[in-house]
This record gives sequence, structure tokens and C-alpha cells, in this order.
Amino acid sequence: EPEVTQTPSHQVTQMGQEVILRCVPISNHLYFYWYRQILGQKVEFLVSFYNNEISEKSEIFDDQFSVERPDGSNFTLKIRSTKLEDSAMYFCASSELASRSVEQFFGPGTRLTVL
Amino acid sequence: GENVEQHPSTLSVQEGDSAVIKCTYSDSASNYFPWYKQELGKRPQLIIDIRSNVGEKKDQRIAVTLNKTAKHFSLHITETQPEDSAVYFCAASRGVGGSYIPTFGRGTSLIVHP
Repeated sequence: EPEVTQTPSHQVTQMGQEVILRCVPISNHLYFYWYRQILGQKVEFLVSFYNNEISEKSEIFDDQFSVERPDGSNFTLKIRSTKLEDSAMYFCASSELASRSVEQFFGPGTRLTVL
Repeated sequence: GENVEQHPSTLSVQEGDSAVIKCTYSDSASNYFPWYKQELGKRPQLIIDIRSNVGEKKDQRIAVTLNKTAKHFSLHITETQPEDSAVYFCAASRGVGGSYIPTFGRGTSLIVHP
């Protein structure tokens, strides 16, 4: 069964550094999402992406964040200047057209640690 | 924006007992309510979902009920097994374009004792 994949599984960075988290959504999916989960807390929506543009973003997704689909398979989340409070698990997810299925499939996550 | 409250935060049951997790939401525009199971260190996985035009849905040992008027929905697990132990998240979602944007509850840690 196809799965969403993410790399790296764990990223350690210094405060102020830029990080890029990578995701490969399921191949026939059209909607892509990023979520974050601070340790022990709930999953929080960051951004959704469709047709090569952001369709929705949350208050968390400020100017420090950006997303990109650089090719036909990858979907990336960039944090320009990381802060300590960016330390979290970041999940990518993808879904088909809502007319077919609204289920979002999550990747295994990237644990980001900002020192 | 949407606000989802989830209770209890921790639920401990004996194997074979039933478990009930309850959620309330605030935005009447929410119309899709998924439930996710997250095992320790793993990705969230959808276990059951319900749309606002349905009051109840069942899938083997799992059922979800929705009361739109009261804005609450619940997950029911019968005949619990140790492998049901995980964190369960409810979510209330509204349609945006062709997808749904969920607001998650804080999670319920279910512990099933053998």
C-alpha cells in the first residue's frame, strides 16, 4: 500500500539556522499538508497546498515558513531562521480530491530539535 | 476559529471493557469528524470518520456518534484489547476548496490493561 514518506527522520539544528523538511506524498494525491506536534501536545495544522499554491494556512505559518513542490514528487517545508520553540515533530500528509476521499494519509514525521 | 475539546485526557480500562472518548466543537460549519490513533512514536492513522449528515457509524469494534445540535461527537471502542493502547485524537474539519482542514483535540491516552 502506498505511503507518505518523509526525510530526515530526525533533524538537529542550531537556533537561527535554516532547515528544509522533505516529504514525498502518495503519487496520485493532489492535496498536501504540513502539521506539527510539539512533544506531548496535539497535532496542529500549518498549511495546505494544492495546484502549486497555498490554499490555507494557520496563524503558526508565519513569514519564517514556506512550502514548495520543487518537482513532481517532493513537497518541502522550509523554516528560514529556526527558533527553540520550533522544536517539534513535523508531519506531512496528502489526500485525494474530496469527491473521491477526504482521508488524509500522514507520513512518519520528522523530529526537529533546535538547540 | 474552531475549538475542539476532548475528554478524558487519560483513560485506563481492563481488557474487554468498553472505552468512550468525547469531543465537543464550536464551529457549526465543521462537517467532517475524523478520529486518529497514534501509537508511541508513530504517525497518526485514521480509524473512523463521520460526516455531519450522519448520526452514527460503526466499524467492527469501533463506533462514532455525532450530535450536531449539541456539537459533540464520541468514539466508542468495545471489547478493548491491549493493542488498542494508544493516543486517540478527535478532529473537527471544515471543507476548504476540495479538502478538509482539521482542528484536533488534545488527545486521549488509552491504556488497556491485560
